[in-house]
Amino acid sequence: AQTVTQSQPEMSVQEAETVTLSCTYDTSESDYYLFWYKQPPSRQMILVIRQEAYKQQNATENRFSVNFQKAAKSFSLKISDSQLGDAAMYFCAYRSVLNTGNQFYFGTGTSLTVIP
Amino acid sequence: DAGVIQSPRHEVTEMGQEVTLRCKPISGHNSLFWYRQTMMRGLELLIYFNNNVPIDDSGMPEDRFSAKMPNASFSTLKIQPSEPRDSAVYFCASSLSGPAGEQYFGPGTRLTVT
Repeated sequence: AQTVTQSQPEMSVQEAETVTLSCTYDTSESDYYLFWYKQPPSRQMILVIRQEAYKQQNATENRFSVNFQKAAKSFSLKISDSQLGDAAMYFCAYRSVLNTGNQFYFGTGTSLTVIP
Repeated sequence: DAGVIQSPRHEVTEMGQEVTLRCKPISGHNSLFWYRQTMMRGLELLIYFNNNVPIDDSGMPEDRFSAKMPNASFSTLKIQPSEPRDSAVYFCASSLSGPAGEQYFGPGTRLTVT
């Protein structure tokens, strides 16, 4: 089974600064999807950004961007101009293209604190 | 669309009682997932369905847990009998079955077993 590793249980960033959250994964597949989800204190899980493995261009969504390194199996999330509302738990997730069940594999999460 | 709907939002029950959590996925989604989230274990996949059929229930912790999906618009997760260690937030999520489909999560049910 695929595994997703988030090695930073907690991170903090000063408001308006930039922070990078790390995610690595283990797979033998060549095509798959990667996701970053945000879980604020409200508990609602929200999709932040999505990346397809065969696309070399890194996905971006406003202040959120990823650094996708396929050979290294790394998928980090960069948050620019951090805002207080970015404080949340962030989960990295993997979804297989080949697996007919299309199960999601989640990392253990990184808790991000934004310091005013 | 109203999104994924879960009920109840909060449940407090005594040990030994039966608990039923409910989920209504987004219309048109054909994959449904049940997760449990605790501080100790993080987000755990319990079971997921494709087209109402259970695909993988290896995450279900014990026989006390069971899940059903009688039709495309409704699923239940039942715990019988409940134990204090079952206290957690239970999420239901749905998606299209293609790999590009993101998961849409419900608001979760916070279960407390005393």
